[in-house]
This record gives sequence, structure tokens and C-alpha cells, in this order.
Amino acid sequence: SQQGEEDPQALSIQEGENATMNCSYKTSINNLQWYRQNSGRGLVHLILIRSNEREKHSGRLRVTLDTSKKSSSLLITASRAADTASYFCATDDVGNDMRFGAGTRLTVKP
Amino acid sequence: DAGVIQSPRHEVTEMGQEVTLRCKPISGHDYLFWYRQTMMRGLELLIYFNNNVPIDDSGMPEDRFSAKMPNASFSTLKIQPSEPRDSAVYFCASSKAGTSPANEQFFGPGTRLTVL
Repeated sequence: SQQGEEDPQALSIQEGENATMNCSYKTSINNLQWYRQNSGRGLVHLILIRSNEREKHSGRLRVTLDTSKKSSSLLITASRAADTASYFCATDDVGNDMRFGAGTRLTVKP
Repeated sequence: DAGVIQSPRHEVTEMGQEVTLRCKPISGHDYLFWYRQTMMRGLELLIYFNNNVPIDDSGMPEDRFSAKMPNASFSTLKIQPSEPRDSAVYFCASSKAGTSPANEQFFGPGTRLTVL
């Protein structure tokens, strides 16, 4: 069963705008990861945030984690057409099972 | 390193046939995962191995599915007999353990299975 639930399911923006995707989950976690999947390809790891961290940055990516609300957000700043992909959150719960959400499909128009 | 290698990349078969998917993890990785991705159900963890030993196979849909890892560099996922509802993209991923098995996972390109 899926643990993380991404929101929105689909997002369409113009190049240069910021994209924000959200992920909610249900159980206690050790960490939360975000992955990107380009069409027809495997998933690529973007960033991992541990349960005791609140915010993490990697290049144009900013991830926040609110364990009290059981939610995380992924912000992509100054988006590019090459950012067009599906983005998944994956939670590593306390039982060490990893679960992926259904994903957010991001389209960045040039 | 070439990354996680999966074969075949595409498989088309008829209902009732046996299907074998293959995976070579990244050298030195302790964990190997098999996932299935469909539009309806998203990405589902089927089974994972640690040091060649199956740890959690609760995601395996039914007895028609079996997975083996005879050594650290090779794993197979077998479906026998296959059914049309098994049509999906099957991903293999590997990771090097830290404090949990769910550290950064490296995914293969996937095998697109179509069962007619």
C-alpha cells in the first residue's frame, strides 16, 4: 500500500516559475526521500531528509519536513523545461519499509 | 560503474507463459529491491534482499511471483504463469546500507512487461 500521498497530482507552470509539491504520510518515519522520474526511465534520487531535520537544500531544490503534520514539501526554484518529470516522495517508516507515493506530474513549459 | 542493469528492457508474452526478469545491482551494494509500477497502483515494493537473503516479500502479489538472489551480483524475478494484469514496468533498485535499508536507492531503467 502507498504511504506517501503527493499533492497535486499534476502541476503545469512556465519556465522560471517555482514549483511546489507536497507529500503527506501516515506513520512515523526515519526519513523521507524525493525522487524524480523522467518518462520511460527509472527513478533518480534527489534528496533525503531525516526525521530530525526540518529543511534541506540541494541546488535549486528545497525540501521541508513537518513531522507534527506528517508532511513534506519539495520546492523547485527557477524551473526549467528539463525539470519536466514525475516527482515521488518515499517514506522510510520505523519498521524500515519504504513506500512511494503516487507522484506529482510536473510540466514546465518553455 | 554502469549502474543497475536490468534485462530485458521490453518483454511481450502471452498469458500463461513464464517470464523471467533479471537484475544486476551496483557492485558493493547490500540491498536489492524489486518494484512494480502501474498507472493504477503506482510504484509498489514487491520484495527486497539484504546480502542475498530475502527480508520482506509481503509485497509479492501471489504465488505466481517468485524472486531469487543466488549471489551478490544477480537477481531474478519470475512470474509463472503470467497474466494480463501483470503488465507493468518492473524496476530493480539497489542501495548500500547505512542505518536503514532505505538509504538512497539507485534504480535500473526498468523492464516493460506486456502480457497479452
